[in-house]
Amino acid sequence: DGGITQSPKYLFRKEGQNVTLSCEQNLNHDAMYWYRQDPGQGLRLIYYSQIVNDFQKGDIAEGYSVSREKKESFPLTVTSAQKNPTAFYLCASTFTGELFFGEGSRLTVL
Amino acid sequence: KQEVTQIPAALSVPEGENLVLNCSFTDSAIYNLQWFRQDPGKGLTSLLLIQSSQREQTSGRLNASLDKSSGRSTLYIAASQPGDSATYLCAVDGGSNYKLTFGKGTLLTVNP
Repeated sequence: DGGITQSPKYLFRKEGQNVTLSCEQNLNHDAMYWYRQDPGQGLRLIYYSQIVNDFQKGDIAEGYSVSREKKESFPLTVTSAQKNPTAFYLCASTFTGELFFGEGSRLTVL
Repeated sequence: KQEVTQIPAALSVPEGENLVLNCSFTDSAIYNLQWFRQDPGKGLTSLLLIQSSQREQTSGRLNASLDKSSGRSTLYIAASQPGDSATYLCAVDGGSNYKLTFGKGTLLTVNP
């Protein structure tokens, strides 16, 4: 079945460690996005990519990095520079403007 | 900067009621508006997408309307069921690389 796969579903990290969240899609979508969701807040855009080997910062890119080496894959690295990384992270993709989301990854910093 | 507001923040209704969820946005220059459903701890599921040139879209018991000039959209759910219980989010696309601005959502509880 076509869709977006995020892994891991749950991740625990110690302060000072970098972690990478995986996002893979088999929908043949050109554009991919990373959002962060915190309780009581709307989704906020971290990074997005329109084509392979190109990506742009969203509203809250500080402390995060991404790569887009393949059309299917858009991994997000949460670096130690991110001051408050505990959150629910959502990956999405689109071809025509209708966004489709993965099931999310919940990151907890201990 | 676009701002999206959803009212009410939470809504509890008995099963079988028809209900309306509201979404307002500050900048009427939008490309499209999308309604999503989110179950606890899960990702978002797309419900309806309304292009800026459209006034409404329907899918089953769901009907979404769009009034760009007033900056409003409504999601109408007919004959609500307990399985409709979830958080409903609206998001607007300002036309720049399909980047969406989201509201904070309405938490709907349908009681049997």
